Amino acid sequence: EAGVTQFPSHSVIEKGQTVTLRCDPISGHDNLYWYRRVMGKEIKFLLHFVKESKQDESGMPNNRFLAERTGGTYSTLKVQPAELEDSGVYFCASSRANEQFFGPGTRLTVL
Amino acid sequence: AQSVTQLDSHVSVSEGTPVLLRCNYSSSYSPSLFWYVQHPNKGLQLLLKYTSAATLVKGINGFEAEFKKSETSFHLTKPSAHMSDAAEYFCVVSLGAGTASKLTFGTGTRLQVTL
Repeated sequence: EAGVTQFPSHSVIEKGQTVTLRCDPISGHDNLYWYRRVMGKEIKFLLHFVKESKQDESGMPNNRFLAERTGGTYSTLKVQPAELEDSGVYFCASSRANEQFFGPGTRLTVL
Repeated sequence: AQSVTQLDSHVSVSEGTPVLLRCNYSSSYSPSLFWYVQHPNKGLQLLLKYTSAATLVKGINGFEAEFKKSETSFHLTKPSAHMSDAAEYFCVVSLGAGTASKLTFGTGTRLQVTL
């Protein structure tokens, strides 16, 4: 069974640019989560999809972040425009119930 | 509200000696508690989970953790460290068993294993 995959593994962009991160969950997992770890801080929850619906987006930092999950399969997280403080590692996880399986993360660097 | 506190940011042990990584939690509900591990350039991997069944939980690679409600603790232990255990470990809490809900992470403990 393939695990959670994320693309790209690394992204380096300049302040003001746009970046889109992609997550492919484990097949059949209705729940999809995004988390972020800013350097030196703990991993923090961003949002939770159940199929294509946003169940909980309480962790989204501001309206520069847009997450979508059209069709209830893969998800994208767009940052527009990116700011320096958006740098960090973005993790995606998926689950059927309460055990979440994590992808390797996307390391985003905003210069 | 829920939170976890990992008491040590770095722990160093010699190969073959016991490992103890400390975690205290706070939760308004009966929590589910987890330990995840992240090896360099890898995703987070679940080591073990507590979901209100047995208080002593056994996980993969010889790790175990004991849920102590009176102490609000969920410390991770292993009798004998191996070089391959060197990684970062996260104590995690979520709402009760069977609930697909967000995870709240501790700040992580980096385990170093020396010869």
